Amino acid sequence: KAGVTQTPRYLIKTRGQQVTLSCSPISGHRSVSWYQQTPGQGLQFLFEYFSETQRNKGNFPGRFSGRQFSNSRSEMNVSTLELGDSALYLCASRDSSGANVLTFGAGSRLTVL
Amino acid sequence: SQQGEEDPQALSIQEGENATMNCSYKTSINNLQWYRQNSGRGLVHLILIRSNEREKHSGRLRVTLDTSKKSSSLLITASRAADTASYFCATGGGDKLIFGTGTRLQVFP
Repeated sequence: KAGVTQTPRYLIKTRGQQVTLSCSPISGHRSVSWYQQTPGQGLQFLFEYFSETQRNKGNFPGRFSGRQFSNSRSEMNVSTLELGDSALYLCASRDSSGANVLTFGAGSRLTVL
Repeated sequence: SQQGEEDPQALSIQEGENATMNCSYKTSINNLQWYRQNSGRGLVHLILIRSNEREKHSGRLRVTLDTSKKSSSLLITASRAADTASYFCATGGGDKLIFGTGTRLQVFP
């Protein structure tokens, strides 16, 4: 069974640009969530999607958005990038029938210059 | 916001020694999980302990939970160099997990 796949793994952007990150969950997992990890703030919840609907959102500005497609793949977008958006963005999927154990992808490392 | 605070922040031990890390959280929980993260990679789920459990084992891992003190501990016995990683506790329901600050464990061969 393939794991959670995130693309791209690494990317460099400049301030003001926008970025889109992609996540393919484990086959059969309908729930996808996103986390931001930085040295200063640690791991912070961004949002969670289930069956194409955002069910939960963390405390991030509106520049951070996401969506989920009918095949459960998810994308997150960050517009008007700021230096502080440099982080490891982690996607996780969950089998909704079980306990809230998350399976994470390897992450997308974003550097904003 | 981070629900859990972990200590120590960093821990260095020799192979074969035991490693203990602690997590404190703020609100009532249904369960608590521990995850491991190798440098710059994704997190891997290690173990989940429910609020009505006091202790749980999985291989070389032993987790305890004290809901009266709102704290949990993770013990790794007979550590190996491959255990070098950061360890995070996490609480919360559904997909909105709230992670602790993490303990960086270094195991020297």
